[in-house]
Amino acid sequence: AQRVTQPEKLLSVFKGAPVELKCNYSYSGSPELFWYVQYSRQRLQLLLRHISRESIKGFTADLNKGETSFHLKKPFAQEEDSAMYYCALNFGNEKLTFGTGTRLTIIP
Amino acid sequence: DAGITQSPRHKVTETGTPVTLRCHQTENHRYMYWYRQDPGHGLRLIHYSYGVKDTDKGEVSDGYSVSRSKTEDFLLTLESATSSQTSVYFCAISGGQGKTQYFGPGTRLLVL
Repeated sequence: AQRVTQPEKLLSVFKGAPVELKCNYSYSGSPELFWYVQYSRQRLQLLLRHISRESIKGFTADLNKGETSFHLKKPFAQEEDSAMYYCALNFGNEKLTFGTGTRLTIIP
Repeated sequence: DAGITQSPRHKVTETGTPVTLRCHQTENHRYMYWYRQDPGHGLRLIHYSYGVKDTDKGEVSDGYSVSRSKTEDFLLTLESATSSQTSVYFCAISGGQGKTQYFGPGTRLLVL
């Protein structure tokens, strides 16, 4: 079955420390991968998608097909990074499958 | 933000009453989606539409119905609301397969 897993429900990181939010998937093909962010009581916003290979707000994500992972990383956390982060995959159709999300808290 | 609005933004209702949520877009996108967001479950797809009068079920469609009579509007109806349908509901739009989905501001629904 096609599945997206975010193993950490909660993650706390000190300001200035590196951040890594994990995302693993199960799919034999080549999915389209996205990271969405939701700041407190706001709508979900696209943070980045792997096909564009952009760095947004200092975040990057690399697709590792061997490990079927798409972890989100940032070298130096900032307080404004505190939010809910969702990994999402498109398995070759018109739908997205979301992980359960990781709530990131940056400790000042 | 993409031109997506949802109404109402907040609603409190009683068990057994019908409820309709509206999603309106000004982007002329073909695909529209309804999700519910619950702690520990992330976002789960309820129903989606791939064109006017063309809809299909998502993973949690029981107890929900949808309609799309115009490109810009996608309605979600809870025929007889239950407490388990207390949630935050998000609408999303997309231009096509594999493309980015853009989300509305959400509707907080409380069923007493």
